[in-house]
Amino acid sequence: GAGVSQSPSNKVTEKGKDVELRCDPISGHTALYWYRQRLGQGLEFLIYFQGNSAPDKSGLPSDRFSAERTGESVSTLTIQRTQQEDSAVYLCASSLRGFDTGELFFGEGSRLTVL
Amino acid sequence: GNSVTQMEGPVTLSEEAFLTINCTYTATGYPSLFWYVQYPGEGLQLLLKATKADDKGSNKGFEATYRKETTSFHLEKGSVQVSDSAVYFCALSRAGTYKYIFGTGTRLKVLA
Repeated sequence: GAGVSQSPSNKVTEKGKDVELRCDPISGHTALYWYRQRLGQGLEFLIYFQGNSAPDKSGLPSDRFSAERTGESVSTLTIQRTQQEDSAVYLCASSLRGFDTGELFFGEGSRLTVL
Repeated sequence: GNSVTQMEGPVTLSEEAFLTINCTYTATGYPSLFWYVQYPGEGLQLLLKATKADDKGSNKGFEATYRKETTSFHLEKGSVQVSDSAVYFCALSRAGTYKYIFGTGTRLKVLA
């Protein structure tokens, strides 16, 4: 596609439910990133994919968070048993290669609200 | 560890005023430095970058100079417009690593 696409754009869920957030990166971009942005705070790194592999998952806040990427394309971030502190905007970004300080291209984000 | 600190907002200016948004960093080695901008309802997009000391990045009338001696990368614009109203993020990344470290963002509001 022309840009990074994320869905849903808005998600309201009840505490304890599972949610899936999807990211479609720019075609041909091998590097994919997930960030979390809480209200009034900076971008918090969650996970990085190079191809379908995630060499560093240390940014994931807890074992309730997981992510996968398939076909060196679409990525899904799953949050199980959501908590109110998970409320945030989840941003996905892709870049052509990673490891080369190239430009990151961001999606518009998925705003998650946990009631 | 690596970190980025930028001035807190919001910054409110009148049209045609001079803009400075301060950004300082802490990093090992020689990072590349970036400014990203997020317009209302849109994703973050790269505004400008600099990859080595004394480099000046520029775009859309915005400028920032990589100052190693002061570990700074302040964003400036001589005459802001209402359309510049957005949130500005300073960031760094080191070559050979995948991590981009972002500041907390500074909201700019320009009044007509």
